[in-house]
Amino acid sequence: RKEVEQDPGPFNVPEGATVAFNCTYSNSASQSFFWYRQDCRKEPKLLMSVYSSGNEDGRFTAQLNRASQYISLLIRDSKLSDSATYLCVVNSGSARQLTFGSGTQLTVLP
Amino acid sequence: DAGVIQSPRHEVTEMGQEVTLRCKPISGHNSLFWYRQTMMRGLELLIYFNNNVPIDDSGMPEDRFSAKMPNASFSTLKIQPSEPRDSAVYFCASTPLEGGSSYTFGSGTRLTVV
Repeated sequence: RKEVEQDPGPFNVPEGATVAFNCTYSNSASQSFFWYRQDCRKEPKLLMSVYSSGNEDGRFTAQLNRASQYISLLIRDSKLSDSATYLCVVNSGSARQLTFGSGTQLTVLP
Repeated sequence: DAGVIQSPRHEVTEMGQEVTLRCKPISGHNSLFWYRQTMMRGLELLIYFNNNVPIDDSGMPEDRFSAKMPNASFSTLKIQPSEPRDSAVYFCASTPLEGGSSYTFGSGTRLTVV
């Protein structure tokens, strides 16, 4: 079983739609969780951290369920510029060793 | 801050040749990571350093791969001899040793071995 599993997509949604991505992780001792965004032929960039109480950053909402070892990302009112691959990221081993999911590809259509 | 700087951006080499990838982490960041990304396998951690010391190299595919960090501002990843299956994008990332464990990535080196 992979340490971090994501729905690979692709997700093709119209502008303005709400889209949700899910992720599960296998290491119950994990403490840090993130969503990264990667544009085509670019490096991954931090989108947001994920906190136990859930957190929101504008149109983006992240949720964490430790009991189910499940992380989600919700994007509301999607924009063309949201088109990218979204990577679920979890720490494993040392606090500074992150494991990346394989990513979910999103295309927002005009 | 200039961010994490990697060079070269692109490298095309013939099978059997030695390839050296370079990385300069963000000043003050004490942890440095080398990742490889392919379509088939996604992002794979190859090796990481804390305070210039290699901590975990279990992700290094085989003896043809080696990495060094001679000082806090420079690291290299070397492949000798290179093979076509080494073709990938190689990313370097850094993070502060104290707290906040998100990484900042460099722009990557796209390696093609023909």
